[in-house]
Amino acid sequence: EADIYQTPRYLVIGTGKKITLECSQTMGHDKMYWYQQDPGMELHLIHYSYGVNSTEKGDLSSESTVSRIRTEHFPLTLESARPSHTSQYLCASRTLRGTEAFFGQGTRLTVV
Amino acid sequence: AQKVTQAQTEISVVEKEDVTLDCVYETRDTTYYLFWYKQPPSGELVFLIRRNSFDEQNEISGRYSWNFQKSTSSFNFTITASQVVDSAVYFCALSEALNYGQNFVFGPGTRLSVLP
Repeated sequence: EADIYQTPRYLVIGTGKKITLECSQTMGHDKMYWYQQDPGMELHLIHYSYGVNSTEKGDLSSESTVSRIRTEHFPLTLESARPSHTSQYLCASRTLRGTEAFFGQGTRLTVV
Repeated sequence: AQKVTQAQTEISVVEKEDVTLDCVYETRDTTYYLFWYKQPPSGELVFLIRRNSFDEQNEISGRYSWNFQKSTSSFNFTITASQVVDSAVYFCALSEALNYGQNFVFGPGTRLSVLP
């Protein structure tokens, strides 16, 4: 069973608010990812990290930012939420050697 | 460039029917991994299987089986005697095996509905 956790599971927030979505894993994985997904639709990579102090933008342009100060923690921040940010955000991790990724349960964000 | 195609957007079957989900991939790499993930209505992605490019042996796990054919760049997934609990979106994915810079390439997903 994967040990990767996302909080909160659900979040409803007003436009303009700053939010941070948390993602933590206890597997010691170096590589971590954030995906944005409308329910049941394609996954879009928005950020990834190879390890501590490494962050890269993904294929889909996003107004969010990430940080990787500790191996186990990869939070995603939206400085000013907008209704267009309404989506599900999935965090994942894997080792550097190309194995499968393990996913968290996701955060369903609604911006009103 | 890497690409994964899942041509079936949605499939509906009646319980106990067998169903095959298609996955076709493109890559220039000789070493790569293929994956299947299940996304139930609760939203999380559940890892089902990984196959590396050097292992073309088919695999069976209970009611699930996977057919990897390098000659046709396909990695199809069959559920035998489907059950309502199999209803989910299924994603096929591709990743280079060794290059740290590469990430997963996911297909668009196939939504499977198993009707009672």
